[in-house]
Amino acid sequence: TQLLKQSPQFLSIQEGENLTVYCNSSSVFSSLQWYRQEPGEGPVLLVTVVTGGEVKKLKRLTFQFGDARKDSSLHITAAQPGDTGLYLCAGYRDDKIIFGKGTRLHILP
Amino acid sequence: NAGVMQNPRHLVRRRGQEARLRCSPMKGHSHVYWYRQLPEEGLKFMVYLQKENIIDESGMPKERFSAEFPKEGPSILRIQQVVRGDSAAYFCASSLQGQPNTEAFFGQGTRLTVV
Repeated sequence: TQLLKQSPQFLSIQEGENLTVYCNSSSVFSSLQWYRQEPGEGPVLLVTVVTGGEVKKLKRLTFQFGDARKDSSLHITAAQPGDTGLYLCAGYRDDKIIFGKGTRLHILP
Repeated sequence: NAGVMQNPRHLVRRRGQEARLRCSPMKGHSHVYWYRQLPEEGLKFMVYLQKENIIDESGMPKERFSAEFPKEGPSILRIQQVVRGDSAAYFCASSLQGQPNTEAFFGQGTRLTVV
């Protein structure tokens, strides 16, 4: 059973377009984290959202935590080729960090 | 302030050999997590350790796999008698605490290939 479900699984869009990817669960999390992983590298932490309804911005990336703390979204404005990568959401469950399967994003120049 | 260091970055082993993967956590971090990642897949939890203790090994196969995090030195993930199915990228992460909301930072991984 996948506790954190990410959608879409794959997304390929043109440079300059906007996009949103999602991380959903039927369970409440005290916080959710977003990571980006590039080929051949380890995941890099982008942000942690803690409070229900919280919105955090990181340049062109906007992260939102759902009011009920069961879901989160990542919105990218004016996507650039450098945004290409695997975006993973993660949360604590039973003393361990669990991950969704990720959204593989490809930005076409 | 060095990040999480894993070595080797790449490891090739023949079937039946042993593989040892090392992870040095960030300075001051006493919690280490190991994950396995197959191509085109997410990260699958294997084991969570604190110094000298295994806290949760529910994701680690019962046979051939073991992990330790000694008082001194890096955390080690050991795979005995490797098989082709063990080929994967293995990542470790460290955190300051093991509590929710504590951020975990990853190493660059060890890519194990079993031939």
